[in-house]
Amino acid sequence: QQQVKQSPQSLIVQKGGIPIINCAYENTAFDYFPWYQQFPGKGPALLIAIRPDVSEKKEGRFTISFNKSAKQFSLHIMDSQPGDSATYFCAAQTGANNLFFGTGTRLTVIP
Amino acid sequence: ETGVTQSPTHLIKTRGQQVTLRCSSQSGHNTVSWYQQALGQGPQFIFQYYREEENGRGNFPPRFSGLQFPNYSSELNVNALELDDSALYLCASSLGSGRSYEQYFGPGTRLTVT
Repeated sequence: QQQVKQSPQSLIVQKGGIPIINCAYENTAFDYFPWYQQFPGKGPALLIAIRPDVSEKKEGRFTISFNKSAKQFSLHIMDSQPGDSATYFCAAQTGANNLFFGTGTRLTVIP
Repeated sequence: ETGVTQSPTHLIKTRGQQVTLRCSSQSGHNTVSWYQQALGQGPQFIFQYYREEENGRGNFPPRFSGLQFPNYSSELNVNALELDDSALYLCASSLGSGRSYEQYFGPGTRLTVT
């Protein structure tokens, strides 16, 4: 059973657009929600993370919105650039234990 | 500060063989987690080592085993390789022990089983 559900599977936006990637979870014991960016042939790189006591976190052009009651969280990329083209994974974690990953979203930003 | 490193980068093995993958954790980190990432999928948790002890295991058979050394580097061993073991194997290091949740990944080892 997929612990973290992610959508869409793929996304194409124009340069400057704001892609939004959504994730949902069921396990209310999760207390840490990171997003990872992965380029082909590379390992996932930690992008931004949020804890459930915060509804929004912004770092540079990346923003996480978190809805604890709906058990959903999303990643917004402001002013997207072709260099943002990558696969994005949401994840969830309980304490300092293992990560449960979503299935990934392949983002393409067209110049 | 040195990041997470893994070796080898690529590996080709035959079904039934055994393989050992290696990981050096980021400086100051005492916890290493291993993940398997099949093509087009998200990483799946294999197991975690904290201070040389296994500290959690995912849904993988016993032929997947590991070690962590006193310097916190780690090995993943897979016996009796199967075709479905072909994947990118990732290790991630973290501070562990509830001090920090962030896990930082290495570049991975691409294993191909023929």
